[in-house]
Amino acid sequence: GAVVSQHPSRVICKSGTSVKIECRSLDFQATTMFWYRQFPKQSLMLMATSNEGSKATYEQGVEKDKFLINHASLTLSTLTVTSAHPEDSSFYICSALVKPGTEAFFGQGTRLTVV
Amino acid sequence: AQSVAQPEDQVNVAEGNPLTVKCTYSVSGNPYLFWYVQYPNRGLQFLLKYITGDNLVKGSYGFEAEFNKSQTSFHLKKPSALVSDSALYFCAVRDIIPPTDSWGKLQFGAGTQVVVTP
Repeated sequence: GAVVSQHPSRVICKSGTSVKIECRSLDFQATTMFWYRQFPKQSLMLMATSNEGSKATYEQGVEKDKFLINHASLTLSTLTVTSAHPEDSSFYICSALVKPGTEAFFGQGTRLTVV
Repeated sequence: AQSVAQPEDQVNVAEGNPLTVKCTYSVSGNPYLFWYVQYPNRGLQFLLKYITGDNLVKGSYGFEAEFNKSQTSFHLKKPSALVSDSALYFCAVRDIIPPTDSWGKLQFGAGTQVVVTP
């Protein structure tokens, strides 16, 4: 199946700094990518949907100025957590659609810890 | 709006026994249903999907799921569970966006933790 690579897998940062997470589709072009947040033992919460070359669509309650999403190419989307705080500590997962009408493929996830 | 429900937080089964993970759905049109598995500190892995066609869908790693329209269910099954099947399982339904019926976001269930004991 299609491969989605997410980097880094783990990151620890200091409160107030910014962290960038990359999501790459390795063997296909993804017109649409999704970013999720997952709390321990809970389901995935969709944060935003990004389409290549256009602004991301954020879910209600997600601060777009805090969680900056860029989908500059058909194979790369980035999530930047700006001015991170301990409450931003979570597991972040991206996914990509090969094309509409097919299943989504997920990255390995990024464990963010803000200290 | 589309939604799925996974009524069991955890399912315990002995290795070699059949495994069933339950999922019911609520949709306004045709359902597009998926099962994913998540291992600790990993992303989700696609197992199988139902779009149309046969009600019994076969997927990866020996898993299958039965689509039941009258009961609005899409239960995941495996005839003989392995210890390595211990993981978190998510049922999901795809939003369909009118008027073009384009694909929207996945709605995930709460997840079911499967524990397979030797």
